[in-house]
Amino acid sequence: AQSVTQLGSHVSVSEGALVLLRCNYSSSVPPYLFWYVQYPNQGLQLLLKYTSAATLVKGINGFEAEFKKSETSFHLTKPSAHMSDAAEYFCAVSDRGETSGSRLTFGEGTQLTVNP
Amino acid sequence: GAGVSQSPSNKVTEKGKDVELRCDPISGHTALYWYRQSLGQGLEFLIYFQGNSAPDKSGLPSDRFSAERTGGSVSTLTIQRTQQEDSAVYLCASSPGLRQGGYGYTFGSGTRLTVV
Repeated sequence: AQSVTQLGSHVSVSEGALVLLRCNYSSSVPPYLFWYVQYPNQGLQLLLKYTSAATLVKGINGFEAEFKKSETSFHLTKPSAHMSDAAEYFCAVSDRGETSGSRLTFGEGTQLTVNP
Repeated sequence: GAGVSQSPSNKVTEKGKDVELRCDPISGHTALYWYRQSLGQGLEFLIYFQGNSAPDKSGLPSDRFSAERTGGSVSTLTIQRTQQEDSAVYLCASSPGLRQGGYGYTFGSGTRLTVV
């Protein structure tokens, strides 16, 4: 069974400050990991994904995440927050099992607020 | 189509009525998923279709919920005898499927269902 824990349902940063959104996963097999962003009244958009290549993954809008197996973490960061980054962010995990499919298990989300 | 299309975008229905939600996935995507997002909560998996395989229905919350996928393309999620707790945003996603390296979904914008 897989699970994802996002620490902090709400994170607030100032414009220009570092963004750090935390994600820890549990998986019995090597995982694939994802971050999605959801803007108000929209569906989810893929920010980045880890699929066992480089452990530091760069995504859209200046976001990146680092896979740390020893810490079972996949935290999302951005060096300098922009007002347009305000949204809800979801971390997700998938196994690689051919028989179980690529079903994703999502965390409960972190609402990011960016203050001027 | 260019993206995942869901209709209607909003649906208000009376308690006890049946509703049908439609999802038109990206052309060629073999995998299709339905998730439910309730207010302030994460994404709850409902059902998963992969090619011609039997669907994974393990996430359907009750026998009032059913889904079908015709011709390996369009999917319809049906909720019978709707209850107020069914009010949520229903999200559909598609992906190319495992054998095409398809980890990570493309989401539609969702159907916001309100049961009054």
